[in-house]
Amino acid sequence: QQPVQSPQAVILREGEDAVINCSSSKALYSVHWYRQKHGEAPVFLMILLKGGEQKGHDKISASFNEKKQQSSLYLTASQLSYSGTYFCGTEMGKNFGNEKLTFGTGTRLTIIP
Amino acid sequence: EAQVTQNPRYLITVTGKKLTVTCSQNMNHEYMSWYRQDPGLGLRQIYYSMNVEVTDKGDVPEGYKVSRKEKRNFPLILESPSPNQTSLYFCASSRGPNTGELFFGEGSRLTVL
Repeated sequence: QQPVQSPQAVILREGEDAVINCSSSKALYSVHWYRQKHGEAPVFLMILLKGGEQKGHDKISASFNEKKQQSSLYLTASQLSYSGTYFCGTEMGKNFGNEKLTFGTGTRLTIIP
Repeated sequence: EAQVTQNPRYLITVTGKKLTVTCSQNMNHEYMSWYRQDPGLGLRQIYYSMNVEVTDKGDVPEGYKVSRKEKRNFPLILESPSPNQTSLYFCASSRGPNTGELFFGEGSRLTVL
């Protein structure tokens, strides 16, 4: 079952902040975040494992609330290079006999000057 | 250079004509996977493989076959393509399903007439 991402699309001015949410109806072991620029392959941003840790690099960070089966991606002081479609991928983990990585439908982020 | 290579990148074919999309990785990764990407539906997993000779269905396996006879190769086979298999296909690999980054190939755009 695909995780649900929100919003589906967002337009920001350079320097503004964005939050992209990813939620699942099932218990999760891990959440992955990827960014895909137009005409290119998805590129890995980060993975968050069960345990609720927050990760980040540069001005992009993410959190994972395993009780709520939710993850949020935070982009602060957005840059033009942040434009693209963001996908979250979720796994329920080996204990559930399921190691498929299931992606959401994506959030299209457009940064304008 | 670490990479996942897919061929062909573009293909137009006709209904019923068997075709194979090859995927090869040079990173000695155990985990490989195929996704299809369609507008509004995100990335949907077709098949995945945990290691040589170990494959399992993803979310949309109907009409596809895979094999994993060697660690580096994971071909996607369409025995009798139909127009609803027109899509953008991505192969991806990683050290393991929960070990982090999925490396994606550049994608193969398939059109079935």
